[in-house]
Amino acid sequence: KNQVEQSPQSLIILEGKNCTLQCNYTVSPFSNLRWYKQDTGRGPVSLTIMTFSENTKSNGRYTATLDADTKQSSLHITASQLSDSASYICVVSGSTFNQFYFGTGTSLTVIP
Amino acid sequence: DAGITQSPRHKVTETGTPVTLRCHQTENHRYMYWYRQDPGHGLRLIHYSYGVKDTDKGEVSDGYSVSRSKTEDFLLTLESATSSQTSVYFCAISESNLLGVGRNEQFFGPGTRLTVL
Repeated sequence: KNQVEQSPQSLIILEGKNCTLQCNYTVSPFSNLRWYKQDTGRGPVSLTIMTFSENTKSNGRYTATLDADTKQSSLHITASQLSDSASYICVVSGSTFNQFYFGTGTSLTVIP
Repeated sequence: DAGITQSPRHKVTETGTPVTLRCHQTENHRYMYWYRQDPGHGLRLIHYSYGVKDTDKGEVSDGYSVSRSKTEDFLLTLESATSSQTSVYFCAISESNLLGVGRNEQFFGPGTRLTVL
């Protein structure tokens, strides 16, 4: 069964600290993996995307890694800011246009 | 939000009434999707469309129907709303004619919060 699991479910960190979010998947065949940021009351917005041949991708303070062999990905946030408070969703795409598998997200709260 | 609008943004309705949500895109993307998002669940696919008048069911399609008469519009109808359909509904679009990492990238609308009393 194609599944995407994220951990932790929620996380609270102090402003300025780093954190790492995890995503494990069992999707096959695999096309790409995306991390989305979803602010409260808004739709998800793409942060990074990686294919199986890429093992790291950065977008400012966000760095995603992918290990296609172990089917694991992580999203590392450095020097967190209050505006990083959001839900972070891992999405794995299969080989066709209708194959998108969503994790349940990690809710991140950054406190002053 | 990548040229995607949803209307209404909020709606409160009563059990048993029909409800139609609209998704409008200005990107001319071929594929459109309706998802619902509930606490404890990832986004779940209700229906999707792969062209004008071409639609298919997703994993949670019971109680929902869709129509796509124009490339830019994708309508979701709750034929007789129930309290279990209280949710946040997201429309998404994608264009698989792109190559490489652009392939299958989804862009999401701002969402519609629906409450069924």
